[in-house]
Amino acid sequence: EVQLVESGGDLVQPGGSLRLSCAASGFSLNTYWTHWVRQAPGKGLEWVARMNSEGASISHADAVKGRFTISRDNAKNTFFLQMGSLRADDTAVYYCAISRFSTSSLDSWGQGTLVSVSP
Amino acid sequence: DIQMTQSPSSLSASLGDRVTITCRASEDISTYLHWYQQRPGKAPKLLIFAASNLQSGVPSRFSGSGSGTDFTLTISSLQPEDFATYYCQQSYSALYTFGPGTKLEIK
Repeated sequence: EVQLVESGGDLVQPGGSLRLSCAASGFSLNTYWTHWVRQAPGKGLEWVARMNSEGASISHADAVKGRFTISRDNAKNTFFLQMGSLRADDTAVYYCAISRFSTSSLDSWGQGTLVSVSP
Repeated sequence: DIQMTQSPSSLSASLGDRVTITCRASEDISTYLHWYQQRPGKAPKLLIFAASNLQSGVPSRFSGSGSGTDFTLTISSLQPEDFATYYCQQSYSALYTFGPGTKLEIK
């Protein structure tokens, strides 16, 4: 069974840092593109970042560019979101997701992890 | 960035109704358009990929169409489990974007 499990969400002060992890099981991550998507309380979905299967092509949404970095460790079947200079408007549930190059849709999603940024 | 809009933003319908949700892109995205369903407190679920392709395991009452800038998601006969929020998403540009969502409620 394909499964993605996020971890690392926490309460953090403004200006702080956090690293989210997404562990994949039931399949090999190394042929998939990896993504992070967030959802602020009561709001819609916001795509955050993606990385291709080789790790050579990376994109980040303008709202997080320069503050967040997506990365992956195919050997550990895990990918990450390093978050820095956190602000109150980064408060959200963060979902990890995967896509295939052939379709580019977000085929499978984790259950989400909550990041709260507050003094 | 490519902007996505959806209409309506909310919709009330009855069991058995046929409903259509529209998504529009700010520029031509070919068929790089996908639809997701999100129930309260749950992760989104892929329904339709590449504008018109039904994801494995998704009931056939869901269908998608469109290309270029205008797309539709149709549910042919509403079931209780279909009352949820629906999002479109483009993957044409390197910076993916979602529509604002359409909340489907029971009338």
